[in-house]
Amino acid sequence: EAGVAQSPRYKIIEKRQSVAFWCNPISGHATLYWYQQILGQGPKLLIQFQNNGVVDDSQLPKDRFSAERLKGVDSTLKIQPAKLEDSAVYLCASSLVERDSGELFFGEGSRLTVL
Amino acid sequence: GNSVTQMEGPVTLSEEAFLTINCTYTATGYPSLFWYVQYPGEGLQLLLKATKADDKGSNKGFEATYRKETTSFHLEKGSVQVSDSAVYFCAFHNQAGTALIFGKGTTLSVSS
Repeated sequence: EAGVAQSPRYKIIEKRQSVAFWCNPISGHATLYWYQQILGQGPKLLIQFQNNGVVDDSQLPKDRFSAERLKGVDSTLKIQPAKLEDSAVYLCASSLVERDSGELFFGEGSRLTVL
Repeated sequence: GNSVTQMEGPVTLSEEAFLTINCTYTATGYPSLFWYVQYPGEGLQLLLKATKADDKGSNKGFEATYRKETTSFHLEKGSVQVSDSAVYFCAFHNQAGTALIFGKGTTLSVSS
């Protein structure tokens, strides 16, 4: 079974530029999550999708961050314009709602450096 | 609000030493509890889990017991190896299909 795929793995941009990250979840997983992991901290949820609908985006800085999940499969997370404090690893995860434990499966992440 | 508190790191041990990483949580209802591990250069992966009180999760020699009375889920291993060097995250969610809430992580460094 293929895991969660993310790209790009690394991205360096200057502040005020824009960037987009892509995620392909495990086949059949209806729920998709984007997390932000700042160095030295635990992952923090940005947005959760159920199929192509948003379940929770309460911690997404909507003035600069946006995300979509067209057709309920792949997802894209965009930052525009980027700030220095957006430097972090952006993690995508997916899960099967039907599983009792609700285990999340994570991709390897996209590391963003904002200069 | 919902939160996870983990012991501060880094934790530095010699090979074959006993490991404990403390984790307590604040949650509503009956959460499911998890330990995730992040090896250098790799993504987060599930280490073990427990879904109800008094359950013991175990994997790769690691164990953690769901203690509802103390809202704790401490991670233990009797004899650590150099290959266990990684960052360990305690996490929970209140029901399947909801996002995990993570602690800040504890870095473990094991030397031979």
